[in-house]
Amino acid sequence: ILNVEQSPQSLHVQEGDSTNFTCSFPSSNFYALHWYRWETAKSPEALFVMTLNGDEKKKGRISATLNTKEGYSYLYIKGSQPEDSATYLCAFQGGKLIFGQGTELSVKP
Amino acid sequence: SAVISQKPSRDICQRGTSLTIQCQVDSQVTMMFWYRQQPGQSLTLIATANQGSEATYESGFVIDKFPISRPNLTFSTLTVSNLSPEDSSIYLCSVVVGEFREKLFFGSGTQLSVL
Repeated sequence: ILNVEQSPQSLHVQEGDSTNFTCSFPSSNFYALHWYRWETAKSPEALFVMTLNGDEKKKGRISATLNTKEGYSYLYIKGSQPEDSATYLCAFQGGKLIFGQGTELSVKP
Repeated sequence: SAVISQKPSRDICQRGTSLTIQCQVDSQVTMMFWYRQQPGQSLTLIATANQGSEATYESGFVIDKFPISRPNLTFSTLTVSNLSPEDSSIYLCSVVVGEFREKLFFGSGTQLSVL
């Protein structure tokens, strides 16, 4: 059984705070690691697809790192804004995509 | 990219009834995927819908409970049959695009509550 674990389950921060969360995944049979942003009543939106160990990707105030040898990825949000409030999902792609439970981020103004 | 129209966006159903969810894609795609997210759980793949052949179901999901149709390359339906409160979930359809099938696009989801 392949497990993808995300922590924390939920996070409440103030506007302007920087935050980060973790995705742990199997270190074998790795093909790619995906990050999605999912706002309520909207489609999950792809943030990053990461394939190489040591990869770092950035999109505006959001960035992610990847360590395939130890099986983890970090997602960072710099200077959180209320519009960043969403659930952040990671998914491990070996054969099929296996999702974590998500980290629910709430940013208070 | 792909744009997926999914409906209904939410529904409240009685125990024992069925709900059919529709997904329309703005381009032709070979495979469409149906996911479920139960409260507090991960997004879990129910089945892969292939045009012209029967859907492929994941372990723990059966055709009698989750019949799928795929009449053409842009459309699919998922029916959740004989509803029980345990079926209360968010259901999502998705497609993969890209040369290496690395990009996954989702519908906006169907929030189902079963009374």
